[in-house]
Amino acid sequence: AQSVTQPDIHITVSEGASLELRCNYSYGATPYLFWYVQSPGQGLQLLLKYFSGDTLVQGIKGFEAEFKRSQSSFNLRKPSVHWSDAAEYFCALFNFGNEKLTFGTGTRLTIIP
Amino acid sequence: KAGVTQTPRYLIKTRGQQVTLSCSPISGHRSVSWYQQTPGQGLQFLFEYFSETQRNKGNFPGRFSGRQFSNSRSEMNVSTLELGDSALYLCASSLGQGESNQPQHFGDGTRLSIL
Repeated sequence: AQSVTQPDIHITVSEGASLELRCNYSYGATPYLFWYVQSPGQGLQLLLKYFSGDTLVQGIKGFEAEFKRSQSSFNLRKPSVHWSDAAEYFCALFNFGNEKLTFGTGTRLTIIP
Repeated sequence: KAGVTQTPRYLIKTRGQQVTLSCSPISGHRSVSWYQQTPGQGLQFLFEYFSETQRNKGNFPGRFSGRQFSNSRSEMNVSTLELGDSALYLCASSLGQGESNQPQHFGDGTRLSIL
């Protein structure tokens, strides 16, 4: 069975500092991985996706993620966070076998001045 | 290009009632998926429709049902509402098959509160 784990429930970062949000997955084949962001009261916005190829993928809003098969990880990074990045971030895995998208439990990001 | 539109945005119901939520996908998208989001359970997959057929279903009771129309618009119905059904219900659309079925694009959700 597929699963996605986001070990950090809540992370606090100072504005301007770097950010890394962790995501680990369990899946028997090549995963299709996504990072979504959700602001309060809003839906999910796609930040970036990994299907195949280059393991370092660039997304919107200055985010990037690196796929590491050996570590079953797909961590999200940003070199310098802005107050507007405060939100909840979800890692997700898509299984083409059953056409299901499985989400992690999310990481809430707080930005302090 | 308009995004995924969910109506209504907010809904208040009482226990035992039923409710219908609507989702209009992005133009050209044929797959519509529904998710329930709660603080305790996170994001849980309800079901997915493609070309008017339910293609996939999550682990929810039969009180939760849906349908998709020929224009790809989808509705979700919950009957005999329970307090635990209070949640944000998210709809997502995608092109439909294989790699083109991803990524899914989400609407802003319908916030359902049960009194």
